[in-house]
Amino acid sequence: DAKTTQPPSMDCAEGRAANLPCNHSTISGNEYVYWYRQIHSQGPQYIIHGLKNNETNEMASLIITEDRKSSTLILPHATLRDTAVYYCIVRALRMDSSYKLIFGSGTRLLVRP
Amino acid sequence: KAGVTQTPRYLIKTRGQQVTLSCSPISGHRSVSWYQQTPGQGLQFLFEYFSETQRNKGNFPGRFSGRQFSNSRSEMNVSTLELGDSALYLCASSSYPGSPAGNEQFFGPGTRLTVL
Repeated sequence: DAKTTQPPSMDCAEGRAANLPCNHSTISGNEYVYWYRQIHSQGPQYIIHGLKNNETNEMASLIITEDRKSSTLILPHATLRDTAVYYCIVRALRMDSSYKLIFGSGTRLLVRP
Repeated sequence: KAGVTQTPRYLIKTRGQQVTLSCSPISGHRSVSWYQQTPGQGLQFLFEYFSETQRNKGNFPGRFSGRQFSNSRSEMNVSTLELGDSALYLCASSSYPGSPAGNEQFFGPGTRLTVL
């Protein structure tokens, strides 16, 4: 699975959009981009995933560049409860593949009041 | 639908002892993975089970083992505990490991193991 690079920390004001970047320049054609977050001392929480099209759900939007070498997770209206470590993970999906996530260091997002 | 449950939530053991942690996946999920999280190493994959078979294993010593039962519940065992085994152990489940449309993995709250 491809390696990802994320800034170690970011902050944003409550109510504003939080844009978290991720570089995955070695991504292969069959690899998906997943985003998880971990609020202190809890298990990671799935946010969103995508292959090449932009995706949106009730939590966030995922923008993947056309060359798929980078992506951005957007939290449209960040709240204090969004303060967490955000992990960008690239994972190949094959019918015979086991489920193994390789977590990097992630981005520690601090939402300021 | 109930989430992933892990028991116990907290555990204190001494060096040399062994420990067994339990994980009940979301109903209908057949894939269960285990992860170890420490401040120094972050989140690291231990192993994954699907239909009672270990499909993948991380880079951990043989003291770490696991199994999965026919009802998809899973246990992991750590023998001859060392101080460095103190960590948050997380279990995660998913409905099907290789779904081409992509599927998410749901994590439990973890078991915090302290080795004294």
